[in-house]
Amino acid sequence: DTEVTQTPKHLVMGMTNKKSLKCEQHMGHRAMYWYKQKAKKPPELMFVYSYEKLSINESVPSRFSPECPNSSLLNLHLHALQPEDSALYLCASSQLPSGGINEQFFGPGTRLTVL
Amino acid sequence: GENVEQHPSTLSVQEGDSAVIKCTYSDSASNYFPWYKQELGKRPQLIIDIRSNVGEKKDQRIAVTLNKTAKHFSLHITETQPEDSAVYFCAAPNFNKFYFGSGTKLNVKP
Repeated sequence: DTEVTQTPKHLVMGMTNKKSLKCEQHMGHRAMYWYKQKAKKPPELMFVYSYEKLSINESVPSRFSPECPNSSLLNLHLHALQPEDSALYLCASSQLPSGGINEQFFGPGTRLTVL
Repeated sequence: GENVEQHPSTLSVQEGDSAVIKCTYSDSASNYFPWYKQELGKRPQLIIDIRSNVGEKKDQRIAVTLNKTAKHFSLHITETQPEDSAVYFCAAPNFNKFYFGSGTKLNVKP
């Protein structure tokens, strides 16, 4: 299996809702990432997990809460979001480097709309 | 963080022509330089990458060149086809942080 999967594909939520995005990979990758991508913009790094531990948080607001329950799964818990948080949320994974950074494999993304 | 600049922002070519997209980066410690293609509504997909120990890499119609001294790298697509139309992103990762360029929208006219 050489794919990263994400659910749901689309999500519409109100500002008071709590929801979660899910990401899964079975490539044995030990680094997993969350990105936010607005229309016509590049992916913007949010979080990095290495060996199931949070290693990078790019100053993301606390209304976004990541979780890595095991080496194959990555969640992003959403609470009290704002309309400007509407975007495509991409998950990615990669092997951890042994002498160099490795290719990232992206999931198809979750299109989030906050009303 | 890493500053990655990408040019041009849009590029329109006739089918069969070549296309060149350029990126510059600021962190001299960067040693891996991938290029991603993103079609509308789809995920970014790696099309080619290069490591700092080589100056050029080719894969059929696609090539990437790297000038570490000048801190820039370029994507070259020859014999362009309509299916090459997409947004292309460069990146200059450092310590697992991927910083992407702003993207180039390539339009290949049949």
